[in-house]
Amino acid sequence: GAVVSQHPSRVICKSGTSVKIECRSLDFQATTMFWYRQFPKQSLMLMATSNEGSKATYEQGVEKDKFLINHASLTLSTLTVTSAHPEDSSFYICSALNGGGNTDTQYFGPGTRLTVL
Amino acid sequence: QKEVEQDPGPLSVPEGAIVSLNCTYSNSAFQYFMWYRQYSRKGPELLMYTYSSGNKEDGRFTAQVDKSSKYISLFIRDSQPSDSATYLCAMSGTSYDKVIFGPGTSLSVIP
Repeated sequence: GAVVSQHPSRVICKSGTSVKIECRSLDFQATTMFWYRQFPKQSLMLMATSNEGSKATYEQGVEKDKFLINHASLTLSTLTVTSAHPEDSSFYICSALNGGGNTDTQYFGPGTRLTVL
Repeated sequence: QKEVEQDPGPLSVPEGAIVSLNCTYSNSAFQYFMWYRQYSRKGPELLMYTYSSGNKEDGRFTAQVDKSSKYISLFIRDSQPSDSATYLCAMSGTSYDKVIFGPGTSLSVIP
């Protein structure tokens, strides 16, 4: 199946610093990638939709200036959490859309656990 | 009413049992239905992908969709301890639409 990687898998940072998370589709090209956040024992909440070569579309309530998304190529999207605070601590998961026509499906990365001290 | 509802469990069954996991939804526009398995501290893994109503079988897993009742199910036959995970249902209107996830059901298969 399609493989999506994320880096880093875990990051601990001080409050006020910025953290960049990378999402890569390893064996397919993804014009669309998604970024989710998952708090403990809760489901995935979509943060934004990232389209290659254009601005990301953010869900209601997600600050676009705080969560910067760059989808510079068909295999790479990055999420930068700027001026991170303890309440940003969460599990961040990306997914990439693979396929064509009616068979598109999302393949998820392994996630990045962010802890802000 | 939430768009997608799922009993969070936890659900505990003995090894070899048949497991039934279910979701209900409110949006009649949903046409694409997925089941994901998520192990602790890992990303979700796609298990089943179904378009519109009907059944789909893959090994020990069977997915059922009843659009008239807005109800989907995942059956696991001969459950194994390695099936212990959280199972998330998900659905969308088109293949390009935002996917809406259920909250997940935590399953434990006891040896």
